[in-house]
Amino acid sequence: DGGITQSPKYLFRKEGQNVTLSCEQNLNHDAMYWYRQDPGQGLRLIYYSQIVNDFQKGDIAEGYSVSREKKESFPLTVASAQKNPTAFYLCASSYFRTGGVTDTQYFGPGTRLTVL
Amino acid sequence: GQNIDQPTEMTATEGAIVQINCTYQTSGFNGLFWYQQHAGEAPTFLSYNVLDGLEEKGRFSSFLSRSKGYSYLLLKELQMKDSASYLCAVRGADKLIFGTGTRLQVFP
Repeated sequence: DGGITQSPKYLFRKEGQNVTLSCEQNLNHDAMYWYRQDPGQGLRLIYYSQIVNDFQKGDIAEGYSVSREKKESFPLTVASAQKNPTAFYLCASSYFRTGGVTDTQYFGPGTRLTVL
Repeated sequence: GQNIDQPTEMTATEGAIVQINCTYQTSGFNGLFWYQQHAGEAPTFLSYNVLDGLEEKGRFSSFLSRSKGYSYLLLKELQMKDSASYLCAVRGADKLIFGTGTRLQVFP
């Protein structure tokens, strides 16, 4: 089965702790993305990576970090200093610049992070 | 600036037709996507438009007018399972820009 997996589905963290969210895909997609979704708001881009060992900041990168050591994996670390990290985090992947609908982003099931 | 506008909420009756509008102002345009998102789940891809006109896919159709910065998603023969949020997203150079989504409630 090809797809995108995120783990865990629910994550609870105490204030002052870093936490890493996992995202893996076996779709052979070049690009991967991390979004944050808050109630009543659209998806906001945190970081994205178009190729291995390269990534770019999105619109709300402060307090987050990523790595892209393998094509299949794009973990997101939420730093303890990140203000208000409680949210629904979505990972997505796509082909890159092949043109048209083939660049469609497909999403993983999401991780709901709650800071206690 | 970049802006995508959608109505926040809509309601409709089972079996009816509903049109969800999306207007956009973006610095670049390389296509417009519609996604469906059920509560607590991931968005799933519905449709893609890059040229003006109507794209039909079963009960769902999507329309685009690039000159007007306007798109709509048309849902026919509504079913209860269509109750969800519908997200409009515009692709710029390398990124998708999402609207806040339209929450659709379908009543019996």
